[in-house]
Amino acid sequence: AQKITQTQPGMFVQEKEAVTLDCTYDTSDQSYGLFWYKQPSSGEMIFLIYQGSYDEQNATEGRYSLNFQKARKSANLVISASQLGDSAMYFCAMRESFSGGYQKVTFGTGTKLQVIP
Amino acid sequence: GAVVSQHPSRVICKSGTSVKIECRSLDFQATTMFWYRQFPKQSLMLMATSNEGSKATYEQGVEKDKFLINHASLTLSTLTVTSAHPEDSSFYICSASFPRALVDEQFFGPGTRLTVL
Repeated sequence: AQKITQTQPGMFVQEKEAVTLDCTYDTSDQSYGLFWYKQPSSGEMIFLIYQGSYDEQNATEGRYSLNFQKARKSANLVISASQLGDSAMYFCAMRESFSGGYQKVTFGTGTKLQVIP
Repeated sequence: GAVVSQHPSRVICKSGTSVKIECRSLDFQATTMFWYRQFPKQSLMLMATSNEGSKATYEQGVEKDKFLINHASLTLSTLTVTSAHPEDSSFYICSASFPRALVDEQFFGPGTRLTVL
């Protein structure tokens, strides 16, 4: 089974509108972390937002917010007031911790967001 | 924010040669470094996780003898692609992490694009 599922390979959004990028995850761990990264065409991975499994409040970072629904195992990214510079690939990722201190981060397949002027 | 550098950013080599990629954390000591591989228009696939001073933990399907990882210090990890072949051509990205409050965030390098002729 996929650990991280992003069902939207591509999305379009009008400039200044809000957009939601979907992410569902699968883990049996009680403690885990969820991340969203942005990857522009240059290739660098840019950290956007983090949600811990024990965090009761949804994470927010400026125009980014994470809609965390633990029971449904979803961690959707909401970008408000889209800008042309938001056009990029967006990856959802999950960090799991294992015995011995080993950690693993698994990435979803990504969503390509294009902002239309 | 924390900065991770990678060198070289781009390398072209002949089949059969070995290529070394360096990953450095510039302003923090990384307890763990991760190496990823990304094929065009695909997600990041974790290759291995390395902790300073210990052997790297390789993901299933990743050849240890082909992808040599050395984490010599808290600021430097190297990935050596030995006897590279055209199928090894890919975008290689490293990341480094350190515990920060409750967020064990990864900081990504800019990536290295390897082309094997």
